Amino acid sequence: QSALTQPASVSGSPGQSITISCTGTSDDLGSSHFVSWYQYYQGTPPQLIIYEVTQRPSGISHRFSGSKSGNTASLTISGLQAEDEGDYFCCSKANDGGFVVFGGGTKVTVL
Amino acid sequence: QVQLQQWGAGRLKPSETLSLTCSISGGNFNAFYWSWIRQSPGKGLEYIGTVDRDGRSDYNPSLKSRVTMSVNRYTKRFSLNLSSVTAADGAVYFCARLLYTSYYMDVWGKGITVTVS
Repeated sequence: QSALTQPASVSGSPGQSITISCTGTSDDLGSSHFVSWYQYYQGTPPQLIIYEVTQRPSGISHRFSGSKSGNTASLTISGLQAEDEGDYFCCSKANDGGFVVFGGGTKVTVL
Repeated sequence: QVQLQQWGAGRLKPSETLSLTCSISGGNFNAFYWSWIRQSPGKGLEYIGTVDRDGRSDYNPSLKSRVTMSVNRYTKRFSLNLSSVTAADGAVYFCARLLYTSYYMDVWGKGITVTVS
């Protein structure tokens, strides 16, 4: 079960938009409508912010949006705020064993 | 409101077995699957496994030989056993509710830090 590939870090200034990529293969992410994203702060449980590629759970800011093209999913954070600093993980239905597979995580820094 | 409460030993010696339990309050236990995920220092989230209400389980292939998960739908609890632990198994362990029709986890326990030394 290979982890999905994410950039280690992404940064942006307050008010800007940033995009985090998540790359898999045609066997997992590429063939799945089941991509989710989690926001994680050390010491707290991960929080679901996107599911089924583009859907936002109730209570999640509209500044978070998801998309997918081919084998790559993306999370865009618009109007970047200081509170958005943290780690972000993508997740997809797995293909070669196990229900799901996570990306390696991306640390977001607000400059 | 669904809540997951987890507990278990937080300090182990190498070769011992990690045992954690997660209790669910609120919500429909039978309508979801139940998962364990861990986060190691400096590393990302790692899927450990999932169990359904009938005890059918699915494990990460890299951990499969050491993992056992069980469930008790009457007490609404599910458990994780990870045998022969090493320092590499030191992590924060989370239990979570998994929506199996869409493969995402929407409710999480607070996490338990497990140290192996």
